[in-house]
Amino acid sequence: DAGVIQSPRHEVTEMGQEVTLRCKPISGHNSLFWYRQTMMRGLELLIYFNNNVPIDDSGMPEDRFSAKMPNASFSTLKIQPSEPRDSAVYFCASSLGGEIYEQYFGPGTRLTVT
Amino acid sequence: AQKVTQAQTEISVVEKEDVTLDCVYETRDTTYYLFWYKQPPSGELVFLIRRNSFDEQNEISGRYSWNFQKSTSSFNFTITASQVVDSAVYFCALSEGSSGGSYIPTFGRGTSLIVHP
Repeated sequence: DAGVIQSPRHEVTEMGQEVTLRCKPISGHNSLFWYRQTMMRGLELLIYFNNNVPIDDSGMPEDRFSAKMPNASFSTLKIQPSEPRDSAVYFCASSLGGEIYEQYFGPGTRLTVT
Repeated sequence: AQKVTQAQTEISVVEKEDVTLDCVYETRDTTYYLFWYKQPPSGELVFLIRRNSFDEQNEISGRYSWNFQKSTSSFNFTITASQVVDSAVYFCALSEGSSGGSYIPTFGRGTSLIVHP
């Protein structure tokens, strides 16, 4: 079975540009999580959805970040405008049953903003 | 305050040595969930174990074992007879309740384990 799919795997963009990261969760999973990983701050939860509904977005750093989950098989994380400090690895994870159950992570998107 | 503390930033061992990775957590909830994940050099985090706060039984899975002690708020992970393939960053995580009624997962900073041949 396919795991969590993320695209692109690598993204290099210039400051000020819009960046869209994509995620396809494991089929049948009803929870989806977006994380950001940096050396400075470690692994941070940005937002998570249960049944396509955002449950907690307190980790979203600022208004430049937005996330959507239009259906059970697709989610996006958008950064507009991007800044160099947004450079990080962004992980998407999905879970069957919510945040108290194990999460299955995608391979991540390495974002570099110059 | 850090909710999940992994005090060991990096551990270096020689193959076949036993190694214990420490995890100390902080929560006021009586119901919570603890996890360990492995992040190999390829980058993708892999789930290892989940424990709820009502189950203090230790668990063994092959060379891996976990010691959950509520009295010390610890959930330590031991690898017996380590192998080079165990080299990875290991994360401990806690899901505890929030004021909104949901559970928020929080990850520790991770412990980098290097196993030398």
